[in-house]
Amino acid sequence: AQKVTQAQTEISVVEKEDVTLDCVYETRDTTYYLFWYKQPPSGELVFLIRRNSFDEQNEISGRYSWNFQKSTSSFNFTITASQVVDSAVYFCALSSDDKIIFGKGTRLHILP
Amino acid sequence: KAGVTQTPRYLIKTRGQQVTLSCSPISGHRSVSWYQQTPGQGLQFLFEYFSETQRNKGNFPGRFSGRQFSNSRSEMNVSTLELGDSALYLCASSGYLNTEAFFGQGTRLTVV
Repeated sequence: AQKVTQAQTEISVVEKEDVTLDCVYETRDTTYYLFWYKQPPSGELVFLIRRNSFDEQNEISGRYSWNFQKSTSSFNFTITASQVVDSAVYFCALSSDDKIIFGKGTRLHILP
Repeated sequence: KAGVTQTPRYLIKTRGQQVTLSCSPISGHRSVSWYQQTPGQGLQFLFEYFSETQRNKGNFPGRFSGRQFSNSRSEMNVSTLELGDSALYLCASSGYLNTEAFFGQGTRLTVV
């Protein structure tokens, strides 16, 4: 069975601090995709990144970076020098067997 | 390229009524998935349609149904509404193999 666990329900940090959101997944498939989405108060899920199971290279996009480690089944997301606009709920998701399964999300508060 | 369009954005219904929600995917995408988001349960997968056929189904009662038309637009129907059906219903549009999913802004359903 597939499962995505985001153990951090809510995190608060002061602006300009770095913050890491954890994601641990379970799947028996050898081919799968992992995603991160951001959900601002407006409700729409905004796609941030996709990784496939064969590509363990870490990725950096501006202040965002992702660390994919197959050995620990983790796909963690770090925001460097956080800003108030980063406040949102962040979801990690796993796609395999034609379904996308989401974690319960981490609510991130960036305090000014 | 137009994004995913969900209508209506907001709905208020009374218990026992039925409701139909609509989702127009990104042009060229043939897969449409539906999710229910509630504070307690997070994002839960309802079902996925691909080329007018239901390809996957989550663990929801038969009151929840859907269909997809030849132009890939999808509708979701909930019959005999219950208070617990109050939620944000999100639709996701995917290209081949669900390697990316783009979400609409959702329909917020309130059952009173």
